[in-house]
Amino acid sequence: NAGVTQTPKFQVLKTGQSMTLQCAQDMNHEYMSWYRQDPGMGLRLIHYSVGAGITDQGEVPNGYNVSRSTTEDFPLRLLSAAPSQTSVYFCASNGGTGTGELFFGEGSRLTVL
Amino acid sequence: GQQVMQIPQYQHVQEGEDFTTYCNSSTTLSNIQWYKQRPGGHPVFLIQLVKSGEVKKQKRLTFQFGEAKKNSSLHITATQTTDVGTYFCAGPRFNKFYFGSGTKLNVKP
Repeated sequence: NAGVTQTPKFQVLKTGQSMTLQCAQDMNHEYMSWYRQDPGMGLRLIHYSVGAGITDQGEVPNGYNVSRSTTEDFPLRLLSAAPSQTSVYFCASNGGTGTGELFFGEGSRLTVL
Repeated sequence: GQQVMQIPQYQHVQEGEDFTTYCNSSTTLSNIQWYKQRPGGHPVFLIQLVKSGEVKKQKRLTFQFGEAKKNSSLHITATQTTDVGTYFCAGPRFNKFYFGSGTKLNVKP
């Protein structure tokens, strides 16, 4: 049972480059979300989705885009990376309506030079 | 906006000592969740509290939800080195999860 799978685990970008962080879950969860984790800041919500075709902004959405074309996948796109986006990114899913237990992926560590 | 504050930021204890972390929300929560993140790992769900005044235990861990459903605590009795990690509280509200900044626990053997 894979759960929530994130790729890549590590990535180094130059300022201005674009990339996509992939997230897939095999639990048929409707709710999926992206967080960034910075030292002393906890986990901050970037974007979330309550089902295919539906996305919404979290606390820190600027500089990030998402889409949800299938139940399984929820990619996070950085269109023009900035050093302030250096962080650890976590994808998480939830089988309920956005209030139950979150299942996290193993994280993607991104460095923007 | 919604804020979830958590203290302390760090706690260093000797193995066998007790540990407590506290979580406070600026608004009433429908429920509160606790997660543990081991060094280099990802957050893992520990428990969810729903009722006002609720107390739940998991072996040496005791979780409480305040009467006003705006604060919560996690207490670990007789810490062990396996308890090392960062403990987060999280309060969901309107499909958004608001996490506290976490308490990093270090246990000296």
